[in-house]
Amino acid sequence: QVQLQESGPGLVKPSQTLSLICTVSGGSISSGGYYWSWIRQHPGKGLEWIGYIYYSGSTYYNPSLKSRVTISVDTSKNQFSLKLSSVTAADTAVYYCARDRGGATLDYWGQGTLVTVSS
Amino acid sequence: QSVLTQPPSVSAAPGQKVTISCSGSSSNIGNNYVSWYQQLPGTAPKLLIYDNNKRPSGIPDRFSGSKSGTSATLGITGLQTGDEADYYCGTWDSSLNTGGVFGGGTKLTVL
Repeated sequence: QVQLQESGPGLVKPSQTLSLICTVSGGSISSGGYYWSWIRQHPGKGLEWIGYIYYSGSTYYNPSLKSRVTISVDTSKNQFSLKLSSVTAADTAVYYCARDRGGATLDYWGQGTLVTVSS
Repeated sequence: QSVLTQPPSVSAAPGQKVTISCSGSSSNIGNNYVSWYQQLPGTAPKLLIYDNNKRPSGIPDRFSGSKSGTSATLGITGLQTGDEADYYCGTWDSSLNTGGVFGGGTKLTVL
């Protein structure tokens, strides 16, 4: 059973960089076949797709966030990470990592982590 | 404003059937598979339907999906109070550089 777990600071100051890590267990990122994704949900709102990374390092980002987003992978640790720069209060959200089996079909999700942007 | 359009809310009595619609365009639903997710209060979304109408292991056959043209529909029969949740449709958008897209979500109330 694949499991994903997000970790990282729950509070980030405005203009700083939000950094989260997703640790995958029960399956290997380097085995290929899946896209490792980040999704966020603003308080009381719907889901927003942020982007994904393949084990090879190729990435695809939401164009509305592309200038501020970096997703990277560390196959030796079976982890992938999210960095979102120049954050504002509008980036306050629950951030989820998930496995995409293709075509934005997200079959396994982490429990999510709330990140608040505030001074 | 979400790329995919869902009704904000639907309701029905226990034991009844409900459908939730998801409308898109040729660049997303029209040419890609649709997934549906259930989000119970305070939890992460869970995959309910993938590839328009397939159910992952463990999802009861009370849940069904269909697609026609640029719209998709989630059906739930034999409603239970435990089905009260937010439901989201999602798919890939093949427009230049768009990526994954979701509907705005539908709140299901089981009266």
